[in-house]
Amino acid sequence: DADVTQTPRNRITKTGKRIMLECSQTKGHDRMYWYRQDPGLGLQLIYYSFDVKDINKGEISDGYSVSRQAQAKFSLSLESAIPNQTALYFCATSDGYWETQYFGPGTRLLVL
Amino acid sequence: QKEVEQNSGPLSVPEGAIASLNCTYSDRGSQSFFWYRQYSGKSPELIMFIYSNGDKEDGRFTAQLNKASQYVSLLIRDSQPSDSATYLCAVNMKTSYDKVIFGPGTSLSVIP
Repeated sequence: DADVTQTPRNRITKTGKRIMLECSQTKGHDRMYWYRQDPGLGLQLIYYSFDVKDINKGEISDGYSVSRQAQAKFSLSLESAIPNQTALYFCATSDGYWETQYFGPGTRLLVL
Repeated sequence: QKEVEQNSGPLSVPEGAIASLNCTYSDRGSQSFFWYRQYSGKSPELIMFIYSNGDKEDGRFTAQLNKASQYVSLLIRDSQPSDSATYLCAVNMKTSYDKVIFGPGTSLSVIP
């Protein structure tokens, strides 16, 4: 079984809708991250969490919110989706020392 | 200056040749350095991790780190068509908190 899982894997939604992307991990890591990747571009950090009570904004947090329900679960919400949030979204965990990042399979989101 | 820079490519090499990928970073306090491989539409996967000056070899891959010059490189020997992917350089910049910054990636194409 995959160490980092994301649901859904693909999602089509309409402008103005609220949607949630979920991430679960079995690696036992405290640190979890949400990234966004646009075609031809690198990874941009949306939010990160170093433990259940520690949540921080990344480079591009506007329009997004997160919830850390447990050590193993970290959810990303788009409060009111807009077309320029169409992207590939990755969840990742890290080991908290050297910061090796372990990625989930990604969620492909299309906002119409 | 961007925090992590890479040649965007695309870089094309013939099968069996050596592919050389370069990355520079801005923060002299950076402590760990990563190379990830990303196939189109897939999640990044770690291929090399280095934290000491010098070379680190793993099979056909060699990572080279020069902290004084603030660059890290990845050499792929005996390149194969299956190596065709985007290679992301990532740097752990330990500032006030652990912060991993990804470069924009270099697209590599290995021509049979």
